[in-house]
Amino acid sequence: EVQLVQSGAEVKKPGESLKISCKGSGYSFTSYWIGWVRQMPGKGLEWMGIIYPGDSDTRYSPSFQGQVTISADKSISTAYLQWSSLKASDTAMYYCARQGRSGWYWGYWGQGTLVTVSS
Amino acid sequence: EIVLTQSPGTLSLSPGERATLSCRASQSVSSSYLAWYQQKPGQAPRLLIYGASSRATGIPDRFSGSGSGTDFTLTISRLEPEDFAVYYCQQYGSSPLSFGQGTKVEIK
Repeated sequence: EVQLVQSGAEVKKPGESLKISCKGSGYSFTSYWIGWVRQMPGKGLEWMGIIYPGDSDTRYSPSFQGQVTISADKSISTAYLQWSSLKASDTAMYYCARQGRSGWYWGYWGQGTLVTVSS
Repeated sequence: EIVLTQSPGTLSLSPGERATLSCRASQSVSSSYLAWYQQKPGQAPRLLIYGASSRATGIPDRFSGSGSGTDFTLTISRLEPEDFAVYYCQQYGSSPLSFGQGTKVEIK
């Protein structure tokens, strides 16, 4: 069974750094793209970027380029999303998802990680 | 960048009725690389349709997708109580990937 398990909720202050994780199991982690999606409170889904854990090829949405870093450690089947300096506007639910068999659509989703940034 | 516009913003229907949701792209979506997702409150999105018309594993056949080019439709033939949710389209034919803003299907 394919599963994506994300790290737990975080409460941070503006300016702090953060790295959240997404652990894949039940499939070949290096063979499928992992994507990250933001959902701000009461709002829609926003695509942030994707990574191919097999070779760490990474693509970012222009809206998030330079704002976050996406990485993966294939030895432990885990993808990451990190910030070097959080802002209050980063408060959101963040989902990781695994691509489908035939394209960059998202067939499997993690449970989400809620990030709250507040002074 | 392809912008997806979903309409209507909210659809108020009764169980048993037919729901028709629209997703219009600002430019042609190559190879009909268009997906639909359902999201219920407090839950992660769930894939319904990919390739514009292929149902994902385990999705009931009351859900169907159609369209090509710039105009796509998700149809729910007869609404069940569990179908009241928010629906998003997403194009994956060109980078950057993009989602529509969502259509909420609510109980009338």
